[in-house]
Amino acid sequence: DAGVTQSPTHLIKTRGQHVTLRCSPISGHKSVSWYQQVLGQGPQFIFQYYEKEERGRGNFPDRFSARQFPNYSSELNVNALLLGDSALYLCASSLATGTYGYTFGSGTRLTVV
Amino acid sequence: DQQVKQNSPSLSVQEGRISILNCDYTNSMFDYFLWYKKYPAEGPTFLISISSIKDKNEDGRFTVFLNKSAKHLSLHIVPSQPGDSAVYFCAALGTDSWGKLQFGAGTQVVVTP
Repeated sequence: DAGVTQSPTHLIKTRGQHVTLRCSPISGHKSVSWYQQVLGQGPQFIFQYYEKEERGRGNFPDRFSARQFPNYSSELNVNALLLGDSALYLCASSLATGTYGYTFGSGTRLTVV
Repeated sequence: DQQVKQNSPSLSVQEGRISILNCDYTNSMFDYFLWYKKYPAEGPTFLISISSIKDKNEDGRFTVFLNKSAKHLSLHIVPSQPGDSAVYFCAALGTDSWGKLQFGAGTQVVVTP
């Protein structure tokens, strides 16, 4: 069975650019959450989506946005990239909101130069 | 505001001995706690969890203890094995922020032969 799939695995962007990260959840999982992990820290919650609707948002600026598609895959978009956006971006899927079974993907390593 | 704290950034333990990882939290609305293990270049992997209605949960070599009055939990690994060398994250879920995992900063465990 395929786990949570994230793409790309690595990418390098220049300050001011835009980036789109993608996540495919485990088959049957309808909820997707995004986390940012900066080096030396734990993952920080960015968004949670369930049935294509935003169900939670962390303390991130409006430059961060996301959406979920009818097949439950998701995109995280970051505009006007800053050096501080360099991090590992993790996607987690779960059956629904309110369940405890979160499975994480391997992440996308974003470097902003 | 860091609501979940892991005050030991690193832990070195001999193979076969016990590893004890600690985690403190400040939010009394947290009612479910999880431990994740993370290897480099991989996403966090679920290890063990505990509900706030319990004070202990055991799964093989892993035991989690919860002290609600002290807002403290710990993970015991017995016996420690070289494959346990990884970063361990404590995470919490609360009734006031459903679906939003709050992570600690992690503890790097190194198991030496």
